Amino acid sequence: DAGVTQSPTHLIKTRGQHVTLRCSPISGHKSVSWYQQVLGQGPQFIFQYYEKEERGRGNFPDRFSARQFPNYSSELNVNALLLGDSALYLCASSLVLGGAVYGYTFGSGTRLTVV
Amino acid sequence: QQQVKQSPQSLIVQKGGIPIINCAYENTAFDYFPWYQQFPGKGPALLIAIRPDVSEKKEGRFTISFNKSAKQFSLHIMDSQPGDSATYFCAASASGSARQLTFGSGTQLTVLP
Repeated sequence: DAGVTQSPTHLIKTRGQHVTLRCSPISGHKSVSWYQQVLGQGPQFIFQYYEKEERGRGNFPDRFSARQFPNYSSELNVNALLLGDSALYLCASSLVLGGAVYGYTFGSGTRLTVV
Repeated sequence: QQQVKQSPQSLIVQKGGIPIINCAYENTAFDYFPWYQQFPGKGPALLIAIRPDVSEKKEGRFTISFNKSAKQFSLHIMDSQPGDSATYFCAASASGSARQLTFGSGTQLTVLP
């Protein structure tokens, strides 16, 4: 079985540019969450989506946005990149049962470097 | 109040030793406490998790101890092996539709052969 698939694996962008990161969840998982992991720190929650709706949002600026598609895959978009956006961006997929999220399986992440 | 504080930042033990990693939380709404293991270049992988209605949970060589009154929980790794060398994160979440995870800052464990 395929796990959580994220693309690209590495990315280098210039300050001010825009970036789109992609995630495909485990088959049967309808919820996708995004986390930012700065080097040397624990992951921080950015967004959670299921049934194509935003269900949770962390303390991130409006430059960060996301969406979920009918096939449950997801995109994370970051506009006007700052040096501080350099991080590992993790996607996690989860089952949804009775409206509640169960379990997180993380992908290997996208390493974003902003120069 | 959303923070989870983790210690130590790094830990070195000999093979066969029992490393212990501690976490503390403030938010009494947290009701799910997982531990994750992360190797370089990989995402975090769930090791073991506990809910506050039990004080201890064992899975293989990994044990979580949970002290609800102190709002603390810890991970013990029995008979540690060099392959256990990784970064370990505690986390917590509260019930609700989103159930987002709040992570600790991580502990880099090195097990010497």
